[in-house]
Amino acid sequence: ETGVTQSPTHLIKTRGQQVTLRCSSQSGHNTVSWYQQALGQGPQFIFQYYREEENGRGNFPPRFSGLQFPNYSSELNVNALELDDSALYLCASSPRDSSYEQYFGPGTRLTVT
Amino acid sequence: AQTVTQSQPEMSVQEAETVTLSCTYDTSENNYYLFWYKQPPSRQMILVIRQEAYKQQNATENRFSVNFQKAAKSFSLKISDSQLGDTAMYFCAFMKSPRETSGSRLTFGEGTQLTVNP
Repeated sequence: ETGVTQSPTHLIKTRGQQVTLRCSSQSGHNTVSWYQQALGQGPQFIFQYYREEENGRGNFPPRFSGLQFPNYSSELNVNALELDDSALYLCASSPRDSSYEQYFGPGTRLTVT
Repeated sequence: AQTVTQSQPEMSVQEAETVTLSCTYDTSENNYYLFWYKQPPSRQMILVIRQEAYKQQNATENRFSVNFQKAAKSFSLKISDSQLGDTAMYFCAFMKSPRETSGSRLTFGEGTQLTVNP
């Protein structure tokens, strides 16, 4: 059974640019959640996707957007990058019949300069 | 809104000894889940243990156990027979019972860095 995977592992962007992060959910999981973890802090919920639609959103501006595909993989897009967007972005997948179980990927480290 | 507080930024313990990490939370919900996650330097967030609020019995997973005090809104993690591999950041997290309209989101505390010394 393949776990949650994320790509890329690291990337560096310039303020004002746009970035796309990718997540492949664990086999049999149809719900994907995204979290932002700033250095030295706990993760913050960005949003969740189920059946290709956003199903809950945290306190993040609209320049954070996402997609979920028919195979349940997901993308997180961030437009107009700001320095404060520098963080570890974590993806978690869960089965719908037990969505309280969230299995995390290894994360993508984004640095905005 | 829910909040989770971990008042111990750092803790250390000798190998083979027992350590307890503290967590308190604030919510008006009656049905919810509480979790402890471990994040080693590899960054992968790993579930350690889960507690359903409607269960009075404290959850146990091998060397890990919790002390869940619902009225006090307290949820501590006890690690027995500490091992070097337990060195990691530990996060306490809260989740309301999942809903169709708002999904299932985790609210995390700030974390406790645990170091197990040989």
